[in-house]
Amino acid sequence: SQQGEEDPQALSIQEGENATMNCSYKTSINNLQWYRQNSGRGLVHLILIRSNEREKHSGRLRVTLDTSKKSSSLLITASRAADTASYFCATDAFGYGNKLVFGAGTILRVKS
Amino acid sequence: DADVTQTPRNRITKTGKRIMLECSQTKGHDRMYWYRQDPGLGLRLIYYSFDVKDINKGEISDGYSVSRQAQAKFSLSLESAIPNQTALYFCATSRGGGLAGANVLTFGAGSRLTVL
Repeated sequence: SQQGEEDPQALSIQEGENATMNCSYKTSINNLQWYRQNSGRGLVHLILIRSNEREKHSGRLRVTLDTSKKSSSLLITASRAADTASYFCATDAFGYGNKLVFGAGTILRVKS
Repeated sequence: DADVTQTPRNRITKTGKRIMLECSQTKGHDRMYWYRQDPGLGLRLIYYSFDVKDINKGEISDGYSVSRQAQAKFSLSLESAIPNQTALYFCATSRGGGLAGANVLTFGAGSRLTVL
């Protein structure tokens, strides 16, 4: 069973708008990571947030983590056509041997 | 050259054939993984290895086997391929250890396998 579930499954926005993707998970975690995948290619790590952190920034990316609700969100500000990709959250859950479990992903399309 | 290299990138084969997917890395990472990606299902872990002498099953290991030939090489085999093994396969590596970021994954470009 998957630990992380992303919402929405697909998102279509105009260039310049912000994109928000959400991830919910089931058990306690050490950290949560977000990855991007361009069509048919390998995943690329974007950002890691530890269980004792609430917010983290990296360039146009902002990640929040709410451990009480077991949820995280990824915000991409001022989106660009090049941000078109699938985005996955991955959780490092306690008791899972330091391995990551991936959600099904959110497909983001940024229209120019 | 890519940090994590997978070969072949694309392969079409027939039911019952033996297939090997190879992965090599120049990251110097101890940990290597094989994932399978199917549309709408995200990535699922097939096998993983935390060092050369350590091989572990993931959540969907049935029908697959692996070999860790060296720290830098980790191959995945399908002994007798079947159509529902048609998928995109990814090799990944991570540094390991106890520090934060130890399990951040570096992925290869993927191997697309079609079993007819």
